[in-house]
Amino acid sequence: NAGVTQTPKFQVLKTGQSMTLQCAQDMNHEYMSWYRQDPGMGLRLIHYSVGAGITDQGEVPNGYNVSRSTTEDFPLRLLSAAPSQTSVYFCASRIRSTSSGNTIYFGEGSWLTVV
Amino acid sequence: AQTVTQSQPEMSVQEAETVTLSCTYDTSESDYYLFWYKQPPSRQMILVIRQEAYKQQNATENRFSVNFQKAAKSFSLKISDSQLGDAAMYFCAYRSAKRRALGNTDKLIFGTGTRLQVFP
Repeated sequence: NAGVTQTPKFQVLKTGQSMTLQCAQDMNHEYMSWYRQDPGMGLRLIHYSVGAGITDQGEVPNGYNVSRSTTEDFPLRLLSAAPSQTSVYFCASRIRSTSSGNTIYFGEGSWLTVV
Repeated sequence: AQTVTQSQPEMSVQEAETVTLSCTYDTSESDYYLFWYKQPPSRQMILVIRQEAYKQQNATENRFSVNFQKAAKSFSLKISDSQLGDAAMYFCAYRSAKRRALGNTDKLIFGTGTRLQVFP
């Protein structure tokens, strides 16, 4: 059971470059989201999706773009990388059910450095 | 807006002893979920335990248990029989149970974390 899979695990970008962080889950979860974690802080929500074709902004959406064409995939695009986007990025998912599915499961993280 | 506070940046415990990590939160909602996540040096976020606010009984998962005090808005984590593998950052997190149609963004709100060291 792969769970939530993120690629790449590590990436170095130059300022102004664009890139896409990939996220896939094989648990048939409706809800998917992207968080970033900066040093000394907890995670903050960037964007989230409650199902294919539906996305919405989280707490820190500026500079990022998302789409959800399938239930399984939720890529995060950095449009023009800035040093302030140096962070660890986590993809997460959960089932829509309100029974035992309230737990949010995280991928292993993607370390991004913008120079 | 909801907030989560972890007032202990660092804690330490001897192997086999018990340690309690503190977490308080602020919300005007009555229905929500609370979580403790463990983050080892690999940075992976691992769910330790969760609590539904409507349940009065404290959640337990093997050596991990919580003391949930809804009126005091407190949600502490107790680790019994501490092991070297328990050393990690621990994050307390809150999520609203409000429906999306009522404005819920499905956001997990995290505290700033407590670094737990375990000594042999």
